Amino acid sequence: QSALTQPASVSGSPGQSITISCTGTSSDVGGYNSVSWYQQHPGKAPKLMIYEVNNRPSGVSNRFSGSKSGNTASLTISGLQAEDEADYYCSSYTSSSTRVFGGGTKVTVL
Amino acid sequence: EVQLLESGGGLVQPGGSLRLSCAASGFTFTNYALTWVRQPPGKGLEWVSSITRDGDNTYYADSVRGRFTISRDNSKNTVFLQMSSLGAEDTALYYCARTLRGSASDYWGQGTLVTVSS
Repeated sequence: QSALTQPASVSGSPGQSITISCTGTSSDVGGYNSVSWYQQHPGKAPKLMIYEVNNRPSGVSNRFSGSKSGNTASLTISGLQAEDEADYYCSSYTSSSTRVFGGGTKVTVL
Repeated sequence: EVQLLESGGGLVQPGGSLRLSCAASGFTFTNYALTWVRQPPGKGLEWVSSITRDGDNTYYADSVRGRFTISRDNSKNTVFLQMSSLGAEDTALYYCARTLRGSASDYWGQGTLVTVSS
């Protein structure tokens, strides 16, 4: 159960778009459309932002979008805002019927 | 309003045991799987265990299999995590989360802190 690979940090200026990658294997990300993304502000519980690769829960801004190609999933934040500064984690279902998280990406709004 | 309230965390000595509880409200408990996720201080999220809606199937991370047991009481809308043979590596904030069919967790509690130290 190796963690999915995410960049440690990504930054952008207000209004810009950024993309966070999440790389796994054919046994997790590549094998299932069960990739989800979570936002976590300091001292707070994680918040679901994207589920099943590209679906947004009710109430999540449409500035957040997800995609997948092969063994790599991506989260794109468009029109970056100060409130988007947080840690982001991807997660995937696996062939062992377990789940695995990525190591997390710190997003900084310059 | 969906609410998940964890309890049972605290300070425990290495090799000790602890039982976490998560009381759910605001939704039909038996319609959802439940998951425990932990986060060591200053580190990332780690999936720990999940249990199906009826409790018949349980799943564990390799790091806790054989030491932790997840269970649920559908009559009390509560999920449990029994932890034994605890080590320093188990020190973390433990979150309970409602889980959708595709394995994503859409509601999370605020967590309960487990500290393993002598």
